[in-house]
Amino acid sequence: AQSVTQPDIHITVSEGASLELRCNYSYGATPYLFWYVQSPGQGLQLLLKYFSGDTLVQGIKGFEAEFKRSQSSFNLRKPSVHWSDAAEYFCAVGDNNNDMRFGAGTRLTVKP
Amino acid sequence: GAGVSQSPRYKVAKRGQDVALRCDPISGHVSLFWYQQALGQGPEFLTYFQNEAQLDKSGLPSDRFFAERPEGSVSTLKIQRTQQEDSAVYLCASSTIQGAKSPLHFGNGTRLTVT
Repeated sequence: AQSVTQPDIHITVSEGASLELRCNYSYGATPYLFWYVQSPGQGLQLLLKYFSGDTLVQGIKGFEAEFKRSQSSFNLRKPSVHWSDAAEYFCAVGDNNNDMRFGAGTRLTVKP
Repeated sequence: GAGVSQSPRYKVAKRGQDVALRCDPISGHVSLFWYQQALGQGPEFLTYFQNEAQLDKSGLPSDRFFAERPEGSVSTLKIQRTQQEDSAVYLCASSTIQGAKSPLHFGNGTRLTVT
């Protein structure tokens, strides 16, 4: 079965600074990759997804992610972080069956 | 349109009680997933429905957990004889097409506390 690792439990960045959240996956075939964001007391919201094709995918709220097969990574990036981006971010990988596995999450704190 | 709705938002149960958690998916969504999210963790898969058929229940942690979706829309997750380790947020998600390829639409979850 596939698995997901998010190496950073907590990241703090200053408002306006760039952001990169790491995600590594383990799966034998081409995975379906997702990033979700969860604000306190809210459900998870999809930021972006990768199925095939262009390895750089654009999402909502100015986020993007790049699929790198050689590194088994799908890192999330944003050039300039806003205070409202403070939340928990989850990377997820789906397979050809029904299995969707989530990482443990990275909590983002934004300093003013 | 309306999103995925879960009720109740919060549930406190004494150890040994039975609880039922409800999920109203987005109308017309074929797939429905239940996840368990412990504090500080990512969601852990519990079970998956395609319409009314429960195709995968491999994530249910014990036989005290039971889920149903009898008419292919509303789903109920039931936990019998609750234990303290059942305390978590239970998330429901639905999607338009089958399987884990499609993006999931999540509800806000039910936070279960077992005392």
